[in-house]
Amino acid sequence: DTAVSQTPKYLVTQMGNDKSIKCEQNLGHDTMYWYKQDSKKFLKIMFSYNNKELIINETVPNRFSPKSPDKAHLNLHINSLELGDSAVYFCASSPRTGVGYGYTFGSGTRLTVV
Amino acid sequence: AQSVTQLGSHVSVSEGALVLLRCNYSSSVPPYLFWYVQYPNQGLQLLLKYTTGATLVKGINGFEAEFKKSETSFHLTKPSAHMSDAAEYFCAVRGAGGGNKLTFGTGTQLKVEL
Repeated sequence: DTAVSQTPKYLVTQMGNDKSIKCEQNLGHDTMYWYKQDSKKFLKIMFSYNNKELIINETVPNRFSPKSPDKAHLNLHINSLELGDSAVYFCASSPRTGVGYGYTFGSGTRLTVV
Repeated sequence: AQSVTQLGSHVSVSEGALVLLRCNYSSSVPPYLFWYVQYPNQGLQLLLKYTTGATLVKGINGFEAEFKKSETSFHLTKPSAHMSDAAEYFCAVRGAGGGNKLTFGTGTQLKVEL
């Protein structure tokens, strides 16, 4: 029973398209995150939600819009995809926003924009 | 703001040899430190974490790390490398402020040779 699940696992799309990535956690955690991992494996946080409330919004293009319908789900919608958006996107969750908690990660969505 | 620096983007060891992956942190407040492992085409898995208390932390798969405040270090070690340890390893810090986000180092690729 997967703790943090992301769909799809792979996404290949053309420039200019709009796409969504879905994330669900069954751990009962309050906080969820989106991270982007680039081709050099560097991980950068994009967004964080705590109980459906946006608490972290890093410098990310407006084309990226997260949505959290409830605390178990955090989706990422990307408009007008660009080549530079190609990366692996990871969803993660943690019990609270407190600093002592680690994150549980999903297995990632590899987005390729052609 | 908190940050971590991982020394050595690639480390190669022989099977059975000591594994040492270096991580130094920068933090104006007591840091909470983590090590994660990423196997090819997978998400990140928590190896161990330091929050408070004992400075020598034991994790999964025989790994351990020691928090040394005087050296601002949190190096990861394993006495005897196994082929299955080959992966990307990330040090991360989580601190108060900025939504308590987890900030990752640039990663170290561990190669284990026969």
